[in-house]
Amino acid sequence: AQKITQTQPGMFVQEKEAVTLDCTYDTSDPSYGLFWYKQPSSGEMIFLIYQGSYDQQNATEGRYSLNFQKARKSANLVISASQLGDSAMYFCAMREGNTGGFKTIFGAGTRLFVKA
Amino acid sequence: EAGVAQSPRYKIIEKRQSVAFWCNPISGHATLYWYQQILGQGPKLLIQFQNNGVVDDSQLPKDRFSAERLKGVDSTLKIQPAKLEDSAVYLCASSLSVGYNSPLHFGNGTRLTVT
Repeated sequence: AQKITQTQPGMFVQEKEAVTLDCTYDTSDPSYGLFWYKQPSSGEMIFLIYQGSYDQQNATEGRYSLNFQKARKSANLVISASQLGDSAMYFCAMREGNTGGFKTIFGAGTRLFVKA
Repeated sequence: EAGVAQSPRYKIIEKRQSVAFWCNPISGHATLYWYQQILGQGPKLLIQFQNNGVVDDSQLPKDRFSAERLKGVDSTLKIQPAKLEDSAVYLCASSLSVGYNSPLHFGNGTRLTVT
């Protein structure tokens, strides 16, 4: 069963505008973490932002914010004031498990193109 | 702090040959992961170590893939014999703690091409 769904294979945004990348997830665990990673064309995976399942406030890190809607099981990434350097693949991930081991699974990704 | 180190960066082999990848995690990170990322897809977990013990290897094709983590620090992933479908980027990652709030820190990956 698909646990992380990213429905947008590709997105375009104009430089300096905001963009939202969608992510929905599926889990029956009450404790889990949601993450977004950026993968530029050079290939490294860069951790951007984290949201815990018990967190009441949406997470923010600079120009990144996570729109967490627990009842809808969605964790969308919002990038404000897009820059050309934001062009990359973006992966949503969920970490769940128990003391026996936590596993991180990834969605298929969304490729973001920032236009000048 | 130094990041996750991986080598080699690129590797080209013929099918049925063997290949090995090396990873050194961030100092102090007890958990180490190997992921396979096929072009156009998200990373898929192959194996997860906690110190030098295996936590999860349910998606590791054990007839051809093997991995070890000696002394709970660096790790090697081996493929023998390689198949064409093994062409992918192999990502090593580590995390500081075992909890659900611990992000993964990735190395630059090894791009494997099997011809």
